[in-house]
Amino acid sequence: AQSVTQLDSHVSVSEGTPVLLRCNYSSSYSPSLFWYVQHPNKGLQLLLKYTSAATLVKGINGFEAEFKKSETSFHLTKPSAHMSDAAEYFCVVSDAAYKYIFGTGTRLKVLA
Amino acid sequence: DVKVTQSSRYLVKRTGEKVFLECVQDMDHENMFWYRQDPGLGLRLIYFSYDVKMKEKGDIPEGYSVSREKKERFSLILESASTNQTSMYLCASSLWTSGGAEQFFGPGTRLTVL
Repeated sequence: AQSVTQLDSHVSVSEGTPVLLRCNYSSSYSPSLFWYVQHPNKGLQLLLKYTSAATLVKGINGFEAEFKKSETSFHLTKPSAHMSDAAEYFCVVSDAAYKYIFGTGTRLKVLA
Repeated sequence: DVKVTQSSRYLVKRTGEKVFLECVQDMDHENMFWYRQDPGLGLRLIYFSYDVKMKEKGDIPEGYSVSREKKERFSLILESASTNQTSMYLCASSLWTSGGAEQFFGPGTRLTVL
């Protein structure tokens, strides 16, 4: 059975400092993994996805994530936070056509 | 530019009313989904559809039904709204693949049931 755990419900960083949002997953098969971002009162937007190609995945707005099978992790990073990065972030695992399991979300706060 | 639209951004209904939430996608996607989003719970799947007139229950289908008469349109129906259905409802669509397809989301409908 699939599951996904976002290890932090809230993360605060100062503008210009690195961002790390942590995600661990469990899957019986080779999963696809996604990170989505949701700004207030908006729908979800895809940041990046891993589908068994390169383990280091680059996404939009300077975000990237590394798939580590041995650690069952897919952490999201960004070298330098911007105020516009303040949002909620969701890690998602999928190992079947219609099955997407969402984490409970991490709310990122960026301090000036 | 790909787009998923939802009929209302905000909706206020009374207990016992029948509520229709509509979703339209312009990407010719086979799959469409309805999720409910509540704080601390992430997104939970209510129903999905993989073809016209085809539907499958998700994790929390109780109190909801769906309709897909055309490929581009997927409707969520609350037969008799209750206060515990107050939530944010998100529609999504994706291509049919064996897995790993990106989902495209609408902006959401925030439903309040009084």
